[in-house]
Amino acid sequence: EVQLVESGGGLIQPGGSLRLSCAASGFTVSTNYMSWVRQAPGKGLEWVSVLYSAGTTYYADSVKGRFTISRDNSKNTLYLQMNSLRAEDTAVYYCAREPRGATSYYFAMDVWGQGTTVTVSS
Amino acid sequence: QSALTQPASVSGSPGQSITISCTGTSSDVGGYNYVSWYQQHPGKAPKLIIYEVSNRPSGVSNRFSGSKSGNTASLTISGLQAEDEADYYCSSYTRSSIPGVFGGGTKLTVL
Repeated sequence: EVQLVESGGGLIQPGGSLRLSCAASGFTVSTNYMSWVRQAPGKGLEWVSVLYSAGTTYYADSVKGRFTISRDNSKNTLYLQMNSLRAEDTAVYYCAREPRGATSYYFAMDVWGQGTTVTVSS
Repeated sequence: QSALTQPASVSGSPGQSITISCTGTSSDVGGYNYVSWYQQHPGKAPKLIIYEVSNRPSGVSNRFSGSKSGNTASLTISGLQAEDEADYYCSSYTRSSIPGVFGGGTKLTVL
């Protein structure tokens, strides 16, 4: 079964760091485009970061310089390292797949995790 | 990155059709055929229902259809059903620091 499972969320003080993980099953992370998307309480979706199969990365202006997306091919897992956290980073964080290969959807995400909640508060 | 513009809410009765608009610019919606739509029920992850303007992933009902004219994309849901009540988000490729942008979301109420 194709699946994504996020973990690593929690309550963190402003200025702190957190690393989110997204474990994939049923497909290979490194051959697809992978994204982190967040949703603040009661708000809409925000594309946070993208990691292409070739290794290219992109970040929203709101997190650039503070967040780092990466993957561990041996663990088939995507990560989001979040530093210098702010109250406005409070959100549910989803990882999602933009498929590449036999089925390719361009700039559309067909598999999503259940989300992990990050709360930045003192 | 500026979000795409969607109406905050739409409503319709069972069996009716509704359309949700998604307005951007020539740098996103109008410039590329990379518009997608997502359905999100409360407390759940988004679900892809339309990709590349008008394509449906396998398993998505043909009651959902997408189109685009100029800088505005549209999602039409025909034969409204109670389970269609959800939030709907559009997204598009964009020439920006991150190659994707979402709309603000539209809450669909089935009366």
